[in-house]
Amino acid sequence: KQEVTQIPAALSVPEGENLVLNCSFTDSAIYNLQWFRQDPGKGLTSLLLIQSSQREQTSGRLNASLDKSSGRSTLYIAASQPGDSATYLCAVTSGTYKYIFGTGTRLKVLA
Amino acid sequence: GAVVSQHPSRVICKSGTSVKIECRSLDFQATTMFWYRQFPKKSLMLMATSNEGSKATYEQGVEKDKFLINHASLTLSTLTVTSAHPEDSSFYICSAFRGTSGSDEQYFGPGTRLTVT
Repeated sequence: KQEVTQIPAALSVPEGENLVLNCSFTDSAIYNLQWFRQDPGKGLTSLLLIQSSQREQTSGRLNASLDKSSGRSTLYIAASQPGDSATYLCAVTSGTYKYIFGTGTRLKVLA
Repeated sequence: GAVVSQHPSRVICKSGTSVKIECRSLDFQATTMFWYRQFPKKSLMLMATSNEGSKATYEQGVEKDKFLINHASLTLSTLTVTSAHPEDSSFYICSAFRGTSGSDEQYFGPGTRLTVT
């Protein structure tokens, strides 16, 4: 059974810092991995999608990497801003396309 | 990007009543939609897979008679919480799988907050 874990569970950093969020999954037979952002009481905003054949994706200040063999992905946020404060979720899919979500990292960027 | 809507965004109902939540893919056809549930400060848990024209597939531990799912068209799936109780209060999110060539991404709705009093 696929399990997805995110470390740390919560993170508080001063504005401007570069930071790394970690995601690990137990079954490496994934189809893709996706990072999402969720603001309090809101739905999900897709940030980056990495197909299983890819090793990383970049969008603006965000960079996500995928090491399928070791069951790990990282989300790198450069020059963090208070507006980045949110919960970040990673999720993996298998061939059935069902998403298994991680436990989430609650990020707070202090002004 | 593709758009998925949910209606209502927020609903309050009395214990014992039923509530229907709609999930629509606005600009693409979705043969498969998924329903998730999220408890406060927790991650999303998959409840069921909704396939157009066939019965939904429920995850272990999810009561199919309590959470009725209907996927009558390629753009609409509904989740009905029957005989709702306070423990059913939660944030429900749907996603629609596009699955076209070059795009296997799922698109998530904005969620529906259900409060059962």
